[in-house]
Amino acid sequence: GQNIDQPTEMTATEGAIVQINCTYQTSGFNGLFWYQQHAGEAPTFLSYNVLDGLEEKGRFSSFLSRSKGYSYLLLKELQMKDSASYLCAVAHLLGGYNKLIFGAGTRLAVHP
Amino acid sequence: GAGVSQSPSNKVTEKGKDVELRCDPISGHTALYWYRQSLGQGLEFLIYFQGNSAPDKSGLPSDRFSAERTGGSVSTLTIQRTQQEDSAVYLCASSTLTATDTQYFGPGTRLTVL
Repeated sequence: GQNIDQPTEMTATEGAIVQINCTYQTSGFNGLFWYQQHAGEAPTFLSYNVLDGLEEKGRFSSFLSRSKGYSYLLLKELQMKDSASYLCAVAHLLGGYNKLIFGAGTRLAVHP
Repeated sequence: GAGVSQSPSNKVTEKGKDVELRCDPISGHTALYWYRQSLGQGLEFLIYFQGNSAPDKSGLPSDRFSAERTGGSVSTLTIQRTQQEDSAVYLCASSTLTATDTQYFGPGTRLTVL
């Protein structure tokens, strides 16, 4: 079966660094996505990892270890606007397309 | 360019009524997905359309739920005889089926069943 685990809530201070972890168990793994979702809004794409290692994109970086079934999203120089839910989604290759299995999301609160 | 659009943004209905939710994908995106997000929960896959292929309906929770996609573009999700547990945000996403196959989401329809 499919199983995605991520912490429910995290808090951090403006300007700091925070790491949001995601562990997964799935078959037919075809990559891992991170999405950001502000309250009442649509999820927006942040990153995609299919190979092991770190992908850096500005203040955000995402890491993947396929052998460990583990990923993290690293947010640097936190800003108040980074307060949002962060969704980990594993792509499960099924019938020629990526079926995304989402975790429940991590709600991040950034404080001054 | 224009993103995924959904209508209505909010829908309040009475238990037992039918509702239709609409999704306009990004132009040129051949794949379309419907998800449901209950309060404080992750996204639950409902259905997937790709071109003229048979849709993957494996996520539809009951036979009260159905969806169609006309002309390979606009999609409608229909919920018949709505129940209170159907209350949720219904999100639509589209993608181009490249190697990355990134899904881009619409703003969702918030459905409240009284």
